This record gives sequence, C-alpha cells and structure tokens, in this order.
Amino acid sequence: QVQLQQWGAGLLKPSETLSLTCAVSGGSFSGQSWNWIRQPPGKGLEWIGEINHGGSTKYNPSLKSRVTISEDTSKDEFSLKLSSVTAADTAVYYCARDASSYMDVWGKGTTVTVSS
Amino acid sequence: QSVLTQPPSVSAASGQMVTISCSGSSSNIENNHVSWYQHLPGTAPKVLIYDNNKRPSGIPDRFSGSRSGTSATLGITGLQTGDEADYYCGTWDSSLSAYVFGTGTKVTVL
Repeated sequence: QVQLQQWGAGLLKPSETLSLTCAVSGGSFSGQSWNWIRQPPGKGLEWIGEINHGGSTKYNPSLKSRVTISEDTSKDEFSLKLSSVTAADTAVYYCARDASSYMDVWGKGTTVTVSS
Repeated sequence: QSVLTQPPSVSAASGQMVTISCSGSSSNIENNHVSWYQHLPGTAPKVLIYDNNKRPSGIPDRFSGSRSGTSATLGITGLQTGDEADYYCGTWDSSLSAYVFGTGTKVTVL
C-alpha cells in the first residue's frame, strides 16, 4: 500500500522560498504522476502542479512563475519549491499521487505559515 | 476563483439523502473524468468517486456519482453524522492545462 510522508519548513518570512519534500513508500515511484495541492485557511483546494514519469512537469498557470516541482528517483522522493512567498501562500500543503485523472493517495499535509 | 461551481452547503436529516452539484464547462467536466473528494478537518482529502461514477474499494455504495454534459453530481444516501465534511469535485481542464477543484460544499447532518 503506497504511503506518502511529507516534510518541510512550516514558518517562512515574506520573499523566502517554500520547500517541501514528499517520500513515497510501499509502492512504485517510477511510472507514476505526483502532485502538490494546497488549501489556504478557510478556502478550498488548489492544485499546484505535478511531475510525471520522465520528469515532465505541469503547473497551475496562476503559480507557474514561482513553482518548481522536481523528483529524486534514487530516493523515491519529489519536492516542491515556491519562491517569493507572501501571506497569500499560507496554507496546508498536500502531496498526492495521480492515479490517472484523480488523486488516490494523499500525504497528511504540512501547514506552512508566511509571516514577518 | 474556481471554474467548477458547487453549492456552499447542503443539509439533511440523518438517514436522508443529499446531492451535490458541480457545474463546469466543455473544457473540463464535459470532456474529462470527474472525481469527488471528502475532506474532514485536520485530515487529508479522500477520493470517493473517480471516472465520474466509480467507487474505490472500501467506499460504501451510499456514495454515487454521475455526469451529464457540463455538470456532475455526487449523491449520498443514508446520511450519517460521520459524513459531515467538505466535499470537492475535481477534473482536468483542457483549456487551462490544469487540474481544477470545485468550490467545495459543506455537508451538515441535521
């Protein structure tokens, strides 16, 4: 059974870079698509982007200029970097597996707060 | 602002049925598979329905999904207090080249 364990800094200052990592265990990493999703306080879910087999990436157009998703296949991990954060980037961030049109496995979430 | 519109809230008595609508367009719902997620506070979202009307193993048949044109619907029968949560539809949007979630619906069991 595939499990996702995520971690990263939970408190950032404006203009810093958010960095989160998600480790995959219990299943195959290669040949899958891996996503990042977030939920700001009091708001709905927002897709950030994905990295798929071969390392190709797709990003939410609204975040594209600041987002980088990468993978480390030697560690079965994928990561999110979001640059120049502001208070609007405060959210719970989730990593998730894309089972071809839907997210079937999710990490537990990481709360990221941006505050000066 | 999401391209998929859901009612902010729905409610019904325990044991009754609720339906949640998800309205989109030809660039998303009409031509791409729809999934539905249940999100309880403090937990990760869980997929209830995928490919418009399929249930993952372990999801009870009280949950059902359908799609017609540019809209999709989630139905929950035999409502239980444990069903109180936020529910989101989701699908790929071919125009945006992005996965999109609905605005979310809070289900309350009266």
